[in-house]
Amino acid sequence: NAGVTQTPKFQVLKTGQSMTLQCAQDMNHNSMYWYRQDPGMGLRLIYYSASEGTTDKGEVPNGYNVSRLNKREFSLRLESAAPSQTSVYFCASSDDWAGIGETQYFGPGTRLLVL
Amino acid sequence: AQKITQTQPGMFVQEKEAVTLDCTYDTSDPSYGLFWYKQPSSGEMIFLIYQGSYDQQNATEGRYSLNFQKARKSANLVISASQLGDSAMYFCAMRDSPSGSARQLTFGSGTQLTVLP
Repeated sequence: NAGVTQTPKFQVLKTGQSMTLQCAQDMNHNSMYWYRQDPGMGLRLIYYSASEGTTDKGEVPNGYNVSRLNKREFSLRLESAAPSQTSVYFCASSDDWAGIGETQYFGPGTRLLVL
Repeated sequence: AQKITQTQPGMFVQEKEAVTLDCTYDTSDPSYGLFWYKQPSSGEMIFLIYQGSYDQQNATEGRYSLNFQKARKSANLVISASQLGDSAMYFCAMRDSPSGSARQLTFGSGTQLTVLP
């Protein structure tokens, strides 16, 4: 039982390049999330998916797209990377709708540097 | 306005002593949940403890307890008998609505805890 896995662990991009961050969970969770963490700040939600086939914008969606490929996998795509997207990206998943106490479990993160 | 405020950027504690990490929150929703996560230097986010707004008792999980003062809108994390492995960044987070986009967690800026031998 690996929990939430993310690939790659680290990536360097040049401005304008594109890439996809991969996330998979084996906990049979319906909901999945993408966050970014910038230095000195907490995590901010980019996009989330409440169930297979649905996605919604979070607090900071500009410059990103997502795909909920199936129940297990949720990918984040940067179409044209910018230096402002240099950050650590976390994927998370949570149980079926369990009310206010629904706990999110996080992957190990992907460190992205855009030059 | 900041929804979650952690006013201590850094804290030091002697090994085996207790430490309190502060968290205040702002919401007008009567139903909300408060979470604490630990982020060690390796970078992963580890869930520690949860407190619901309607919970009558303060949450406890092993050496972690949550000092929940609803009227003051504070949810401080107490770590008893600190260990060297407790050195990490600690984040307070809140969910203040069960529906739609508000299912996201809102995080504070974190407190870096260092346990001294």
